[in-house]
Order: sequence, then structure tokens, then C-alpha cells
Amino acid sequence: GAVVSQHPSRVICKSGTSVKIECRSLDFQATTMFWYRQFPKKSLMLMATSNEGSKATYEQGVEKDKFLINHASLTLSTLTVTSAHPEDSSFYICSAILAGGNDEQFFGPGTRLTVL
Amino acid sequence: QKEVEQDPGPLSVPEGAIVSLNCTYSNSAFQYFMWYRQYSRKGPELLMYTYSSGNKEDGRFTAQVDKSSKYISLFIRDSQPSDSATYLCAMSATRRAGNMLTFGGGTRLMVKP
Repeated sequence: GAVVSQHPSRVICKSGTSVKIECRSLDFQATTMFWYRQFPKKSLMLMATSNEGSKATYEQGVEKDKFLINHASLTLSTLTVTSAHPEDSSFYICSAILAGGNDEQFFGPGTRLTVL
Repeated sequence: QKEVEQDPGPLSVPEGAIVSLNCTYSNSAFQYFMWYRQYSRKGPELLMYTYSSGNKEDGRFTAQVDKSSKYISLFIRDSQPSDSATYLCAMSATRRAGNMLTFGGGTRLMVKP
């Protein structure tokens, strides 16, 4: 199946700093990528939809100025958490849809963010 | 009320048991139903994808959809310790399932050898 990677897998940062998380489709082109947030023992909450070459679409309640998304190519989307706060600590998961495929989402392994 | 309800578990069963995982939903617009398996500290992986009411079988896994009751199930036969994971149901109103997936909270399954 299609492989999606995320980097880093785990990051610890201080409050007030910015953290960038990368999501890559390794063996396919992805016109659309999604960013989710998952709290412990909770479901995945969609944060935003990222389309290559255009602005991301954010879900209600997600601050676009805090969670910057850049989908610069068909294989890479980045999520930058700006001015990180301990409340931003979470598991961030991206997914990608194979261009020309059947719309199945392929999920990355996730990134554990801890803000001190 | 959440759109999709799923018992968080944990559900503990002995190896070889038949496992039943369930989700209920309130939005009658949901037409496409998926089950994902998520191992600890990993991203979800798609197990089953169904559209119509009825059963769909894939190896040891059977997905069941009852749209009239707004109830879906995943059955795992001959459960193995390697099946221990969190199982998430997900639903969508559109064929382009990637656009708007609504997830259940996940059920943690533990299969003991």
C-alpha cells in the first residue's frame, strides 16, 4: 500500500517556540493531505484539509494563524505550530489521498508533540 | 450527543475468541463506513470499507452495516494477540470519503494469549 511518513516522530519544545512537522507521501503523489489531532484515548479530530498549491481549509475552531499549513508539492505538506503552548501537546497525524485513486486516506505514523 | 459513539473499552478477550466491535451514529447522511486499526503510537490503517447495509467479509474480519438502526459492527474471528490495538470506526456522507471523515473515539482491544 501507499506509504506516508511524518517527521519528527516525537518532539519536545519550550513554550513560545515554533515547531514544524512534515508529512510526506513516499511512493505516490497526493493532491490532498489532511491534518488531524488526537488526544489520549480520544478520536481523531480533523484540523485542516491541505491541497497542493492552494490555501488550506481549516475546520471550525482551529486557528489558522497558530497552525500554519503549507502544501508546497504533491508529496509534502508541513504543519507549523507557532508560539507553542502546553495545551498544544498532542498527537498530530497526517493523511494523504492518492491522486487519481479511490479517495482512500493513507495515514502517517503520527508525531507526538510535548510542549513544556 | 456525539455524531459517532463508540465504547472506548478496553475489551479484553482470550486468544481465539470472536470479537464484536460496534459504533452507533446519529447522522442519517452517513453512507460510507470504514474501520481502522491503530497500534500504539502509530497512525490508523484501513481495515474495511463498506457502503451498503449488510455484511462484508475479508479474511477473519466481517463488517456489518445496519443503516435503519444506524449501527455498524466489526467482527474478528479467531482473534490473535497481534489484533491487540485500538479500532476506530469512521463515516462519511460522500463518495469522496477523504473529505469529511467523522471518527468514533476508538475501542481498545486486548487479545491475551
